[in-house]
Amino acid sequence: DSGVTQTPKHLITATGQRVTLRCSPRSGDLSVYWYQQSLDQGLQFLIQYYNGEERAKGNILERFSAQQFPDLHSELNLSSLELGDSALYFCASSPSWSNEQYFGPGTRLTVT
Amino acid sequence: AQSVTQPDIHITVSEGASLELRCNYSYGATPYLFWYVQSPGQGLQLLLKYFSGDTLVQGIKGFEAEFKRSQSSFNLRKPSVHWSDAAEYFCAVAPDSNYQLIWGAGTKLIIKP
Repeated sequence: DSGVTQTPKHLITATGQRVTLRCSPRSGDLSVYWYQQSLDQGLQFLIQYYNGEERAKGNILERFSAQQFPDLHSELNLSSLELGDSALYFCASSPSWSNEQYFGPGTRLTVT
Repeated sequence: AQSVTQPDIHITVSEGASLELRCNYSYGATPYLFWYVQSPGQGLQLLLKYFSGDTLVQGIKGFEAEFKRSQSSFNLRKPSVHWSDAAEYFCAVAPDSNYQLIWGAGTKLIIKP
C-alpha cells in the first residue's frame, strides 16, 4: 500500500459524458501527478500539481483538466468523453524534496 | 531532449533463472534513475532508485540495478526469478529532483514454469 488513494476504482460511462476522478496523496506529499495508461499508448504523463499550483503539463487533452485543492487532494476532470479515453488513470504523489513517485491503485475508465 | 529506451518489449525467463532488464538513457550528466514494477491490474511500485554514490543499488524484492555512466545504462537484475515476478517493469530518469520523470515504454516479464 503506497498511501495514495484513488476513487472510484472502476467507472463506466457513455461517450460525450463528463467524469471526475479523485486522488488523495500520501500524507505530507505536496506534488500530485496524473497519468493515463492504455494498451496502445503506454504510460502517458498528463499533468503535475505542486501545493495547489500547476507545475508541469504533459500530453493532456484540452477536454481534460485537473486541480489540486488546499487539503492537497486532486481531481482530474474528463469531459466530452470518447471511446479512446478508455484507459487506466493513475495518480502519484511525491514529497517536496524528491521526484520519486508513489502511485495509487488507479481508476479504470471504460467509455461505451 | 532526454529519452529513455527499454529495448525489450517482452522477456521470457524460466523460474529460477537469472534476469537482466535493460535501460538506456540519453542525458549528458548523471541523472536520477528509477525502476518501477507494475503487477497486473495494479499501480506502479518503486523498486529502487539511484541518485549518486555506489553504482550498484539494492532494491526491494531481491532486485538490484547497476548504473554504468560509460554506457548510459541502468540495468535491472535479479539472480533467481520467482513466478510472482511476472509483471511489467518501467525505467524512468530525471535530470535532477526538480524535474519530471521521463518514462521508458516498459518491459513485460513472462516467467516459464
